[in-house]
Amino acid sequence: DSGVTQTPKHLITATGQRVTLRCSPRSGDLSVYWYQQSLDQGLQFLIQYYNGEERAKGNILERFSAQQFPDLHSELNLSSLELGDSALYFCASSARAGGPSETQYFGPGTRLLVL
Amino acid sequence: QKEVEQDPGPLSVPEGAIVSLNCTYSNSAFQYFMWYRQYSRKGPELLMYTYSSGNKEDGRFTAQVDKSSKYISLFIRDSQPSDSATYLCAMTGYALNFGKGTSLLVTP
Repeated sequence: DSGVTQTPKHLITATGQRVTLRCSPRSGDLSVYWYQQSLDQGLQFLIQYYNGEERAKGNILERFSAQQFPDLHSELNLSSLELGDSALYFCASSARAGGPSETQYFGPGTRLLVL
Repeated sequence: QKEVEQDPGPLSVPEGAIVSLNCTYSNSAFQYFMWYRQYSRKGPELLMYTYSSGNKEDGRFTAQVDKSSKYISLFIRDSQPSDSATYLCAMTGYALNFGKGTSLLVTP
């Protein structure tokens, strides 16, 4: 168990809808990362927050947004959902601001199915 | 073309075999190289971590980096059925860039 928790575990919704995925980092970790994993694209970095502020941005669509709250938990909001958004969404956390030498610990993921 | 390429497999080996998993990459700026293991329906977990070129050993696992060839490897000695998982290489830069993962099955 990595200490990173994600809810919900599974989510089934329809195209055009909006969903919110939640992540609680390991105790003491200040950075939260969001990743999308699909069969064709593999694991792709979406966005990182550090201590409440956006730190780095990857391949995140404009329909997606995230935030990190004062208690350091994070939410990923996905809107105007399309079939292609069906994927596993992982949250990871690390102790500090991130960077190449910092270990990231992954949560169990949220499996999103858009019908 | 993705910056990190990894053969998806599946790779099936008998218990006790030596397993070789490999990735190639295109970005010469990558300095840190990792291997993650992902069991079915679980998140990836860090297995090995190497900085720059060279070898690193941890128990039955050896990570090897050849920056001149932009090629990294993970060797698993005396493979066990519990090693059956998907192995993802990752490298950075700043943000992690993952390969798509190689599915490994170790049969008893």
